[in-house]
Amino acid sequence: SQTIHQWPATLVQPVGSPLSLECTVEGTSNPNLYWYRQAAGRGLQLLFYSVGIGQISSEVPQNLSASRPQDRQFILSSKKLLLSDSGFYLCAWSEVGLNTEAFFGQGTRLTVV
Amino acid sequence: GENVEQHPSTLSVQEGDSAVIKCTYSDSASNYFPWYKQELGKRPQLIIDIRSNVGEKKDQRIAVTLNKTAKHFSLHITETQPEDSAVYFCAADDSNYQLIWGAGTKLIIKP
Repeated sequence: SQTIHQWPATLVQPVGSPLSLECTVEGTSNPNLYWYRQAAGRGLQLLFYSVGIGQISSEVPQNLSASRPQDRQFILSSKKLLLSDSGFYLCAWSEVGLNTEAFFGQGTRLTVV
Repeated sequence: GENVEQHPSTLSVQEGDSAVIKCTYSDSASNYFPWYKQELGKRPQLIIDIRSNVGEKKDQRIAVTLNKTAKHFSLHITETQPEDSAVYFCAADDSNYQLIWGAGTKLIIKP
């Protein structure tokens, strides 16, 4: 069966520090991968999605970036965090093709102080 | 591109009563409409979905209806229980098979 791992679960980082959140998927090949951000009490904001290794689409311009160095690994990064980067970050995957469910990781609660 | 609107943003119902959450979408080519439930501090999880060739789908106390002509779909929860309290998200797929999400509905079940 397929599983998705996202870590860390919580993170407190000072303003200006770098960020690296990692997500890996097991049990499937060539998945679509996604990074979402969710501000407190708000909806899901799609940040990046990837349909293959090295293929990243950015939905929202900001100081975050994403990379997919391996088929089932998706990394969210920042060189310098801002206070406004605080939020709940969710990685998700889905199978390639139409009408498929998205499966979410456990999420990372990031607090920038 | 696809746009999904969800209403209401907050819904408070008495335990045992029914709850209805509605979503509208803009792209008539959309074919897949899932509903996710997100409990506080946890990940969203699929609770029910419907595809464009079906008008209604039911799973115990939850049901989803789809009106393709009017481009709206709704989540119905009957006999609500305290554990139904959560944020619910609707979504619709776009032409690239990506999910476009509604803004979410916070459902509060009053004892």
